[in-house]
Amino acid sequence: SQTIHQWPATLVQPVGSPLSLECTVEGTSNPNLYWYRQAAGRGLQLLFYSVGIGQISSEVPQNLSASRPQDRQFILSSKKLLLSDSGFYLCAWSLLGGNSPLHFGNGTRLTVT
Amino acid sequence: KNEVEQSPQNLTAQEGEFITINCSYSVGISALHWLQQHPGGGIVSLFMLSSGKKKHGRLIATINIQEKHSSLHITASHPRDSAVYICAVILYGQNFVFGPGTRLSVLP
Repeated sequence: SQTIHQWPATLVQPVGSPLSLECTVEGTSNPNLYWYRQAAGRGLQLLFYSVGIGQISSEVPQNLSASRPQDRQFILSSKKLLLSDSGFYLCAWSLLGGNSPLHFGNGTRLTVT
Repeated sequence: KNEVEQSPQNLTAQEGEFITINCSYSVGISALHWLQQHPGGGIVSLFMLSSGKKKHGRLIATINIQEKHSSLHITASHPRDSAVYICAVILYGQNFVFGPGTRLSVLP
């Protein structure tokens, strides 16, 4: 069966520090991978999605970047965190071809102080 | 105007009540997804449907493509059903677009 792992679960980082959140998927090949952010009390905002290794699409201009070094690994990074980067970050995967459900990781709650 | 809207925004019910959450969208879609987000933040997939109705336990999801509307029903609600319920649509050839969510609280 397919599983998705996302870590860490919580993170407190000072302003200006770097960030690296990692997500891995098991049990499937060539998934679509997504990074979402959910600000407090708000809906899910798509940050990045990837349809293959090294292929990253960004939905909104921001202080973050994403990379996909392996088929089932998706990394969210920042060189210097801002206060506004605080939020709940969720990794998700779906199969290629459309009409495939999203499967989410447990999320990372990031607080930038 | 948001592409996906949900109502109500917040809902409080007594244990045992029948609950309906609505989702409407303004664009053509290939499928619609109902998600449940627990208080801890984790999100699970409940249903994905493109027509008709689906049932899983006490949960029923319906969709009317012509009217661009979907409903999620919970029968015999229970406090463990308390969560945020999110409607998401899949646009043709594009990614998911999410509704703002409906926060449900079921009181014992």
